[in-house]
Amino acid sequence: NAGVTQTPKFRILKIGQSMTLQCTQDMNHNYMYWYRQDPGMGLKLIYYSVGAGITDKGEVPNGYNVSRSTTEDFPLRLELAAPSQTSVYFCASSNQGARYQPQHFGDGTRLSIL
Amino acid sequence: KQEVTQIPAALSVPEGENLVLNCSFTDSAIYNLQWFRQDPGKGLTSLLLIQSSQREQTSGRLNASLDKSSGRSTLYIAASQPGDSATYLCAAGDRAQGGSEKLVFGKGTKLTVNP
Repeated sequence: NAGVTQTPKFRILKIGQSMTLQCTQDMNHNYMYWYRQDPGMGLKLIYYSVGAGITDKGEVPNGYNVSRSTTEDFPLRLELAAPSQTSVYFCASSNQGARYQPQHFGDGTRLSIL
Repeated sequence: KQEVTQIPAALSVPEGENLVLNCSFTDSAIYNLQWFRQDPGKGLTSLLLIQSSQREQTSGRLNASLDKSSGRSTLYIAASQPGDSATYLCAAGDRAQGGSEKLVFGKGTKLTVNP
């Protein structure tokens, strides 16, 4: 019963490096989301997708890119890492949108940029 | 701009006590209000989702209410147990924002239930 799987769990990057955070779900959900959670703060939506080939910006998309080539996978790319991107990143999925159904979350990727 | 506030930031209670967690939101134009649980080092687990047309939802020992006119939601936990210790977050599905996928999260209430 895997649900939403995120890799890696931890990562340290240097300023200016790039990396891809991986997210895969095995529930055949149409909707997928990327959030960031800064210490002591609520989650903020970075990008979301309503199906393969369709993505849209959330509240804080600057500095990130996404793609959705399959139903299962929704990777998040950081092109030029900055200290402000130090955060915990959560991927989530749902069969219908946030208006109708709760989201299933992965356990997060803890990213530090030094 | 929608803002979601959760007070208190932390709460410690003895086992067996009934308790209420509070969530307030500034804009009543929401399509739902959701409560989540977050354990340390883990992702969020959905507890209850209340549509804007509903007043409450129940699941086991949990009951969540919604009063849009006053901009408030409460999560009631009956007969608390040490296993209930976690951070509880509420999120408002914000109708006013562009796109229907926007959830505005509070910062959470960290609950500790002492044996």
